[in-house]
Amino acid sequence: AQTVTQSQPEMSVQEAETVTLSCTYDTSESDYYLFWYKQPPSRQMILVIRQEAYKQQNATENRFSVNFQKAAKSFSLKISDSQLGDAAMYFCAYRPHSNYQLIWGAGTKLIIKP
Amino acid sequence: NAGVTQTPKFRVLKTGQSMTLLCAQDMNHEYMYWYRQDPGMGLRLIHYSVGEGTTAKGEVPDGYNVSRLKKQNFLLGLESAAPSQTSVYFCASSDPAATGISPLHFGNGTRLTVT
Repeated sequence: AQTVTQSQPEMSVQEAETVTLSCTYDTSESDYYLFWYKQPPSRQMILVIRQEAYKQQNATENRFSVNFQKAAKSFSLKISDSQLGDAAMYFCAYRPHSNYQLIWGAGTKLIIKP
Repeated sequence: NAGVTQTPKFRVLKTGQSMTLLCAQDMNHEYMYWYRQDPGMGLRLIHYSVGEGTTAKGEVPDGYNVSRLKKQNFLLGLESAAPSQTSVYFCASSDPAATGISPLHFGNGTRLTVT
């Protein structure tokens, strides 16, 4: 069965510092997509970054970048220069190329200390 | 551009009551989904639809029904609410015709409490 594991229920970081959130997944597929979504207290689910498994280059979006290790089935999110507005739940999700159903991790609560 | 709109935002039901959650999207997306979110767990797929007039079961379909009579609307029904259905419900849509990765677009959620 395909699963997504986020081993850190909660992380905290000082404002302006860098933090890395971990995500591992289990699949036998070779072609798939990976996502990080952010859920602030407003409850809205916001796409942070996405990665196609066939691309070796790690995706980046401004202060957000990923470390995608396909062989290790690892997809960590790095947030640089953390800001108070980054405080949220962060969810990792996996989708095989063959269908449109996402498999979600349980989430990591990120706390930003001013 | 509204994106995905869910109504209502909050609802309290008594055990055994019924209700319908409405999801509307204005992006002309083919695929629509209903998820539930419970504390300490990731989102779990209830039902989904790959086009007007079609629906399919997801991971946790029991106790729920859905309909997709129009492309832009996806309704989630609870015929006889139970306390175990207390949760936050999210609707989402995606466009399979888009090239590449096609992420989900979410509504703002409905918090449902069943007493």
